[in-house]
Amino acid sequence: SQQGEEDPQALSIQEGENATMNCSYKTSINNLQWYRQNSGRGLVHLILIRSNEREKHSGRLRVTLDTSKKSSSLLITASRAADTASYFCATALTTDSWGKFQFGAGTQVVVTP
Amino acid sequence: EPEVTQTPSHQVTQMGQEVILRCVPISNHLYFYWYRQILGQKVEFLVSFYNNEISEKSEIFDDQFSVERPDGSNFTLKIRSTKLEDSAMYFCASTKQGANGYTFGSGTRLTVV
Repeated sequence: SQQGEEDPQALSIQEGENATMNCSYKTSINNLQWYRQNSGRGLVHLILIRSNEREKHSGRLRVTLDTSKKSSSLLITASRAADTASYFCATALTTDSWGKFQFGAGTQVVVTP
Repeated sequence: EPEVTQTPSHQVTQMGQEVILRCVPISNHLYFYWYRQILGQKVEFLVSFYNNEISEKSEIFDDQFSVERPDGSNFTLKIRSTKLEDSAMYFCASTKQGANGYTFGSGTRLTVV
């Protein structure tokens, strides 16, 4: 598998439900980020979690990181129709936070009213 | 909130033609990047740029690609002789030391016909 693979590939939920998606990676990382992309648009940075962190919160977002399992999860609580988008994890392999990132293929989330 | 600006938003060009994609990074950022996303595929790293030189480049970034920071604000990607397979969304990003992620532009959709 490639560095940064999201699971599931697609997720369909109703407004108000929680959405959980996972990211697995193969090599050691310095940090992992989650991005959102609305159809045909740019990438919006959501949250960064460093390799020495286990959990971070930002509004309705909760990210966990398990370096022993080389995996991360993104939880969106109380989802809204506006959360409909593709979500990508991106891993930074170097110690520099300004190094290149490797993106996964993304999870496409559809939230229906 | 500061933005990374990319122009044009959409460019159609004939195979073999040269194109220049333009980006204006955030003014106090020092690290610049180009990524691309072929329709339905992963976001792929092309090149990183710091201190007026390329820091790192991927296998995709062959001799037909070049980057330049011609002045204090613009960051350009030039494709010398476009091929059909260069059709993609090209994203510019910038960051600074200690930042919690990249700021991406909205992208330029390049269509080679």
